[in-house]
Amino acid sequence: DVKVTQSSRYLVKRTGEKVFLECVQDMDHENMFWYRQDPGLGLRLIYFSYDVKMKEKGDIPEGYSVSREKKERFSLILESASTNQTSMYLCASSFVRVPLHFGNGTRLTVT
Amino acid sequence: GQQVMQIPQYQHVQEGEDFTTYCNSSTTLSNIQWYKQRPGGHPVFLIQLVKSGEVKKQKRLTFQFGEAKKNSSLHITATQTTDVGTYFCAGAQGGSEKLVFGKGTKLTVNP
Repeated sequence: DVKVTQSSRYLVKRTGEKVFLECVQDMDHENMFWYRQDPGLGLRLIYFSYDVKMKEKGDIPEGYSVSREKKERFSLILESASTNQTSMYLCASSFVRVPLHFGNGTRLTVT
Repeated sequence: GQQVMQIPQYQHVQEGEDFTTYCNSSTTLSNIQWYKQRPGGHPVFLIQLVKSGEVKKQKRLTFQFGEAKKNSSLHITATQTTDVGTYFCAGAQGGSEKLVFGKGTKLTVNP
């Protein structure tokens, strides 16, 4: 079974803090994705990566950056957290270019 | 930006009744994916449709991709309480590989 592990289930941070959300997959997938999910808005793509050290902007990259130094790990970075980044963050991985396996999500609250 | 419209937003049925959710795009989709998210859970990939007019079945679930590749539907026959959750479609529009998610249809089933 594919496992996509997100480092924290719940996170509370203060405005202006730098926040790291980690995601690790154990299936040697090339493709990894970061989404945020907000009530009534569905899932929105923040960043994705099709290979190590490769990253592409999704639909809402502003205020975020990513890092993919190793194939199994895709990190989402909030450079300076703001209250409008309070959300559920979902990481996914896949052997094809659509997300097949999602992690359990990190519910981030920025106060 | 590009949008994939999904209707209805909510659907409440009695156990044993059928359920259908619809997904519509103003532009041609190269493919469409369907996901299910249980309350408190993460999205789980159900199926991918690629060909015009394609119909696929998974037990009580029937997925269709329109002839013009602009719409899709998910039909559940004789719903059960285990079908409860939010169903999302996600399509790739205009040659882009990036998926655009619909806002989802939340299904509740009265036993």
